Amino acid sequence: AQRVTQPEKLLSVFKGAPVELKCNYSYSGSPELFWYVQYSRQRLQLLLRHISRESIKGFTADLNKGETSFHLKKPFAQEEDSAMYYCALSGHAGGYQKVTFGIGTKLQVIP
Amino acid sequence: DSGVTQTPKHLITATGQRVTLRCSPRSGDLSVYWYQQSLDQGLQFLIHYYNGEERAKGNILERFSAQQFPDLHSELNLSSLELGDSALYFCASSVVGPEQFFGPGTRLTVL
Repeated sequence: AQRVTQPEKLLSVFKGAPVELKCNYSYSGSPELFWYVQYSRQRLQLLLRHISRESIKGFTADLNKGETSFHLKKPFAQEEDSAMYYCALSGHAGGYQKVTFGIGTKLQVIP
Repeated sequence: DSGVTQTPKHLITATGQRVTLRCSPRSGDLSVYWYQQSLDQGLQFLIHYYNGEERAKGNILERFSAQQFPDLHSELNLSSLELGDSALYFCASSVVGPEQFFGPGTRLTVL
């Protein structure tokens, strides 16, 4: 079974402070991990995926297989980062590709 | 707009009623996913269709059903509605691979 855990429903940080949104996963094979973001009144969209190893809007995420984590980080939070963030895992189950989303973390950046 | 579209945007109905939500995937995408998003439960996967066939089921109630038609659009049918069914219902599509493209959602309010 594959599972994604986002332990914080809400994370509040001050503008300019570092941000770390936690994501832990459970999967027996080699997973593909993603972060999706949902800004207010907008649709969910892909923020980044671990295989691309890129930085988007200043965010980075490193897959740590030893700790089964894929935390999302940004050194200096901006007000426009306030949004709902979902961690997602893609694996294979029963011969099919399956994507599992975490419950989501609401990031609130305080001016 | 060649992205994922969903109709209606908003739906207000009474308990015990039945509603149908519609989703048109991106051009060329064969997979359609349905999700329910509520404040306390985050993004819950309901069901996945690929080229007309059901591929995976998540936390979908027996009162809910879905189908994908030959033109690849999908409908989610919710019956015997309860107050707790009030939520945002998202549809997402993908071609191959795990990256999903989300629609704007349908907000269902059950009174």
